[in-house]
Amino acid sequence: AQSVTQPDIHITVSEGASLELRCNYSYGATPYLFWYVQSPGQGLQLLLKYFSGDTLVQGIKGFEAEFKRSQSSFNLRKPSVHWSDAAEYFCAVGARDILTGGGNKLTFGTGTQLKVEL
Amino acid sequence: DAGVTQSPTHLIKTRGQQVTLRCSPKSGHDTVSWYQQALGQGPQFIFQYYEEEERQRGNFPDRFSGHQFPNYSSELNVNALLLGDSALYLCASRAAEAQAQYNEQFFGPGTRLTVL
Repeated sequence: AQSVTQPDIHITVSEGASLELRCNYSYGATPYLFWYVQSPGQGLQLLLKYFSGDTLVQGIKGFEAEFKRSQSSFNLRKPSVHWSDAAEYFCAVGARDILTGGGNKLTFGTGTQLKVEL
Repeated sequence: DAGVTQSPTHLIKTRGQQVTLRCSPKSGHDTVSWYQQALGQGPQFIFQYYEEEERQRGNFPDRFSGHQFPNYSSELNVNALLLGDSALYLCASRAAEAQAQYNEQFFGPGTRLTVL
């Protein structure tokens, strides 16, 4: 069974500081990995995704993530955090639908709440 | 191009009642998934509909049922509501593709259900 662990429930950083959010996954095959962001009262917005190939993936809003198979990790990074980045961040692992080739269910971590101090 | 839309935005019910939540997928999408997000938790997969059939189901009781219509819109029904059913219910849609490619799921804003 697939699972995702986000060890940090809350993280506080100063505006302009760098950010790294941790994510570890468990999956029997090559995973599809995602980072989503959720602002209060909003749905989920996809920041970036990893399917295959280059292990360093670039996303929107200046975020990037690195897939490390040996560590079963997919950590999210941003060199300089902006106050508007304050939100909850979810890492997710997805399976592939063998029949349709499309995405099957996503399994999410419990999320990391990011607070940005001005 | 409208994204995924859900209705209603908020809903308050009492224990034992039944509720129906609605979802319209993004234009061009034909596969709809439902997720439950309890307070302080990540979303949990309930089920997925494609071609008007339930294709995959998560670990949810039979009180949770769904339907997909010919226009690809979907409903989530929950019977005999429990206090623990209070959550944000998210709908996600994607296109089923013929190519060997993973298509991104797009999420709606959710329906906040409160059970008293």
